[in-house]
Amino acid sequence: QSVLTQPPSASGTPGQRVTISCSDSRSNVGNDYVFWYQHLPGSAPKLLIYRSNQRPSGVPDRFSGSKSGTSASLAISGLRSEDEGDYYCAAWDDRLRNWVFGGGTSLTVL
Amino acid sequence: QGQLVESGGGVVQPGGSLRLSCAASEFTFSSYGMHWVRQAPGKGLEWVALIWADGSRKDYADSVKGRFTISRDNSKNMLYLQLNSLRPEDTGIYYCAKEASYLAGFDIWGQGTAVIVSS
Repeated sequence: QSVLTQPPSASGTPGQRVTISCSDSRSNVGNDYVFWYQHLPGSAPKLLIYRSNQRPSGVPDRFSGSKSGTSASLAISGLRSEDEGDYYCAAWDDRLRNWVFGGGTSLTVL
Repeated sequence: QGQLVESGGGVVQPGGSLRLSCAASEFTFSSYGMHWVRQAPGKGLEWVALIWADGSRKDYADSVKGRFTISRDNSKNMLYLQLNSLRPEDTGIYYCAKEASYLAGFDIWGQGTAVIVSS
């Protein structure tokens, strides 16, 4: 059971905007950054968002991240069929000196 | 941009050992922290271990502490993971990943190498 809780699934139609939530059950993590990874079938995971709301170069601005308190969200606008796959949030636990991943959300484009 | 290529996976009996390797290219390997992340069949991503750029610090997930050892050879641009006392629950795809910079995420991932622990 991860300390980062994500919904197991999400779905949307092409062009729609979808959001995926990530809730952190640890205490005193209000200032911790959240990271988001996309894992498409047959591909290596890809960094989508770092430090809660920053996009690496090359990641389309359709992807955005936000964080408030112990909850974070990944928003995908203009949904495309190629966005179908798994999405993971992650955070660094400085007390345990471990990276933790959420359980992952499987996104289906209907 | 950079590239990572894992190797060394295979089928091993419970209690056995494996050594995974990760070859890095097209970036200054010695300047970056490196990680191993795994994914069990039908499960999500699980962080396994990290090593600082100079190798001076290593951290491990509780699930592998005392059994796995991460190491690197900066002269060869290589990252390693020694897996000992393997258990069936260690079965999965093992990815190496490069840390972009301190708390900037893992920006380069390999394609993974499969480890199967079964009798």
